[in-house]
Amino acid sequence: ETGVTQSPTHLIKTRGQQVTLRCSSQSGHNTVSWYQQALGQGPQFIFQYYREEENGRGNFPPRFSGLQFPNYSSELNVNALELDDSALYLCASSLGGRGTGELFFGEGSRLTVL
Amino acid sequence: AQKVTQAQTEISVVEKEDVTLDCVYETRDTTYYLFWYKQPPSGELVFLIRRNSFDEQNEISGRYSWNFQKSTSSFNFTITASQVVDSAVYFCALSEARSGGGADGLTFGKGTHLIIQP
Repeated sequence: ETGVTQSPTHLIKTRGQQVTLRCSSQSGHNTVSWYQQALGQGPQFIFQYYREEENGRGNFPPRFSGLQFPNYSSELNVNALELDDSALYLCASSLGGRGTGELFFGEGSRLTVL
Repeated sequence: AQKVTQAQTEISVVEKEDVTLDCVYETRDTTYYLFWYKQPPSGELVFLIRRNSFDEQNEISGRYSWNFQKSTSSFNFTITASQVVDSAVYFCALSEARSGGGADGLTFGKGTHLIIQP
């Protein structure tokens, strides 16, 4: 176990709704990154938070937003859900903000958009 | 732009056979990092190895070994004497170090589904 926990594990939403996913990072880690993994694909980088600031972002629209809290836990918010947002959302924690170190992943939140 | 290609979508072997998973990458940076992760059915990605671009030494860890060749931009992963517990999806990934700080995240390949039959 990596010590990274995500909630909820599964959820179902309808198009146009909003969703918030949560992640508790491993103790001592100050960096959290989020990835989207569509079925049968590799994970895609959404963004990274380092010491409560976003310091890296992949090719995702602004309706994907996030927060990191003083205890380094994090939230991923997705507004105006689309069918293509159905995926496994993975959170990973690490040390340092360069994004080149070992990532410790949670088991993910599986989102289904109907 | 960086890219990782795992041409083998699925590999099926019988237990105790050796198996090699291929990974080819593209990057314009001279400083980069390569990773392998294992994803069992539970979904959690499990870190296996990290290599920086300046270290081309091959590495062995138990039944696992990795062959990094910059000349062919490849970072292949071999499992010796495979076991049923090795069944999973394996991902190769690449990360570039931004000179100004910040992060671009890992670029993953599409993964290779490895099936080890008893």
